[in-house]
Amino acid sequence: NAGVTQTPKFQVLKTGQSMTLQCAQDMNHNSMYWYRQDPGMGLRLIYYSASEGTTDKGEVPNGYNVSRLNKREFSLRLESAAPSQTSVYFCASRGTDMGEQYFGPGTRLTVT
Amino acid sequence: AQKITQTQPGMFVQEKEAVTLDCTYDTSDPSYGLFWYKQPSSGEMIFLIYQGSYDQQNATEGRYSLNFQKARKSANLVISASQLGDSAMYFCAMREKGYGGATNKLIFGTGTLLAVQP
Repeated sequence: NAGVTQTPKFQVLKTGQSMTLQCAQDMNHNSMYWYRQDPGMGLRLIYYSASEGTTDKGEVPNGYNVSRLNKREFSLRLESAAPSQTSVYFCASRGTDMGEQYFGPGTRLTVT
Repeated sequence: AQKITQTQPGMFVQEKEAVTLDCTYDTSDPSYGLFWYKQPSSGEMIFLIYQGSYDQQNATEGRYSLNFQKARKSANLVISASQLGDSAMYFCAMREKGYGGATNKLIFGTGTLLAVQP
């Protein structure tokens, strides 16, 4: 039982390049989330998927797209990376009725 | 608007002593949930403890307890008998409730960096 996995762990992009961050969970959770973490700002929600086949914008969706490929997988795409997207990205899935979320190990992205 | 405030950017505590990390929240919903997460220097986010708004008793999980004062809208984390391994960033979060029910989104505070000294 790996929980929530993310790939890659580190990535460096040049401005304008695109990439997709992958996330998978093996806990049979319905809801999945993408956050970004910047120094001094806590975690901010980019997009979430309440269930397979649905996605919704969070607090900071601009510059990102998501795909809920199936119940296990939720990917985040940067179509044209910008230096402002330099951050640590976390994927999470939601557990029981308490609403606690379980996080992946994170992806550290640098855009130059 | 729903908001979480952590006013302590950093704190020190001696090993084996107790420490309280502050968290206040703002919401107009009667139903909500409060969470604490630990983020060690390795970067992962670890779920510690949960308190529901209708829970009558303060939540406890091992050395962690949540001092829930509903009227003051505070949900402070108490760590008893601090250990060196408790040195980490700690985040308070609130489950947001949207129209029609819980959206299950979490709103996070900015965190408190705890350093446990030997």
